[in-house]
Amino acid sequence: GAGVSQSPSNKVTEKGKDVELRCDPISGHTALYWYRQSLGQGLEFLIYFQGNSAPDKSGLPSDRFSAERTGGSVSTLTIQRTQQEDSAVYLCASSFLAMSSYNEQFFGPGTRLTVL
Amino acid sequence: KQEVTQIPAALSVPEGENLVLNCSFTDSAIYNLQWFRQDPGKGLTSLLLIQSSQREQTSGRLNASLDKSSGRSTLYIAASQPGDSATYLCAVRSNDYKLSFGAGTTVTVRA
Repeated sequence: GAGVSQSPSNKVTEKGKDVELRCDPISGHTALYWYRQSLGQGLEFLIYFQGNSAPDKSGLPSDRFSAERTGGSVSTLTIQRTQQEDSAVYLCASSFLAMSSYNEQFFGPGTRLTVL
Repeated sequence: KQEVTQIPAALSVPEGENLVLNCSFTDSAIYNLQWFRQDPGKGLTSLLLIQSSQREQTSGRLNASLDKSSGRSTLYIAASQPGDSATYLCAVRSNDYKLSFGAGTTVTVRA
């Protein structure tokens, strides 16, 4: 596609429910990244995919967070048993190559998650 | 751990004035540095990417410099316009793949 797309754009859920956030990267981009932007925390890295594998999951806040990528394209970030502190904007980015000095990351519009 | 700081946190200027936004980082072993723009409620738009071997990068009215040894980058925006009002984020890619972000500088250009 023309850019990185994310869905839904907004999600309101009740504490304790599970949510799934979707990211569709730019066609041909092999690397995909998830970040979280929350008030007072700024932008923080969550997880990175190269193809379908995730070499670095170190940024995931807890074991309630998981992500997968299929077909080297679409990725889903799942948050189980949501808590109020999970409220944030979840941003997805993609790049052509990860391990390259010229590695420009392009970001989607984000999903704003609100946990009541 | 890479720490990225942006000063000032907010800036308000009259239209036509040049903007100078500063970014500093603690670990000089970087692959590249990216400047982004974020409008309220929107995602990030990439403005410029400077590779570690470069000293500066230009795009239209935007010019970004990089002094890797001192851990600094500066974004210059010439002849500012009200449409330049946004939050500008600096992000550093260290010797891996993830970006470390500063907190941003929120710019208001007054007509």
